[in-house]
Amino acid sequence: GAVVSQHPSWVICKSGTSVKIECRSLDFQATTMFWYRQFPKQSLMLMATSNEGSKATYEQGVEKDKFLINHASLTLSTLTVTSAHPEDSSFYICSASEGSHRYFGPGTRLTVT
Amino acid sequence: RKEVEQDPGPFNVPEGATVAFNCTYSNSASQSFFWYRQDCRKEPKLLMSVYSSGNEDGRFTAQLNRASQYISLLIRDSKLSDSATYLCVVNVMDTGRRALTFGSGTRLQVQP
Repeated sequence: GAVVSQHPSWVICKSGTSVKIECRSLDFQATTMFWYRQFPKQSLMLMATSNEGSKATYEQGVEKDKFLINHASLTLSTLTVTSAHPEDSSFYICSASEGSHRYFGPGTRLTVT
Repeated sequence: RKEVEQDPGPFNVPEGATVAFNCTYSNSASQSFFWYRQDCRKEPKLLMSVYSSGNEDGRFTAQLNRASQYISLLIRDSKLSDSATYLCVVNVMDTGRRALTFGSGTRLQVQP
C-alpha cells in the first residue's frame, strides 16, 4: 500500500532555533498534503494544507510566518518551525491523499527546550 | 463547540466484552465519516469508513445517523490488542476543504 514517511521521527532543539520536518509520499504523487499537530491527550488539529506549486492554506490561528510550508514537488512537503519555543513542542503529523484514500506519516515528535 | 465530540474515556473493559463508542459532529455538511485507531505515540490508522446503512468489519460495527449527526462504533469480543485511542473523523466539503477533522479520541483499555 501507499506509504508516507516523515523525517526526523523525533527532534530536540533549543528555544529560538528552527526545525525542518520533511514529509514524503514514497510510491505515489500527492498534489495535496496536510500538516497536523497533536498535543498530549488532544485531537489532531489541522495546521495547513500544502499544495504542490502554490502557497499553503493555513487554518485560522496558525501563523504562516512561523510555520513555513514548502511543497516543491509532488512527493515532498516540508514544514519549518521557525524560532521554536517550548509551547511548539508537539507531535507533528503529515497526511497525503491518493484518490479517496488518506495516508498518514508516522509523525515527528518535537521537543523544544 | 467542537466540530467533533467524543467521550474521552477511558473505557476499561475485560477481554471478551462488547464496548460502544459514540461521537457527534456539528457540521451538517459533513460528507464522509471514519473511525481511526491511534496507538500511543503513533500516527492514526484507518479502522473503517462509516456509511449511512451501517457497516461491519469482523468484530467492528459502525453506524451513522445523519439526522442526529451521530456516529457510533461497536467492538465485540474485545481483545487485548484493541487497546488504543479511537478517533471519530469527519470530512467536510462545503468550503472546498478536503482535510479531515478529528475528534479528541476515546481511550479503550482492554484488561485480561
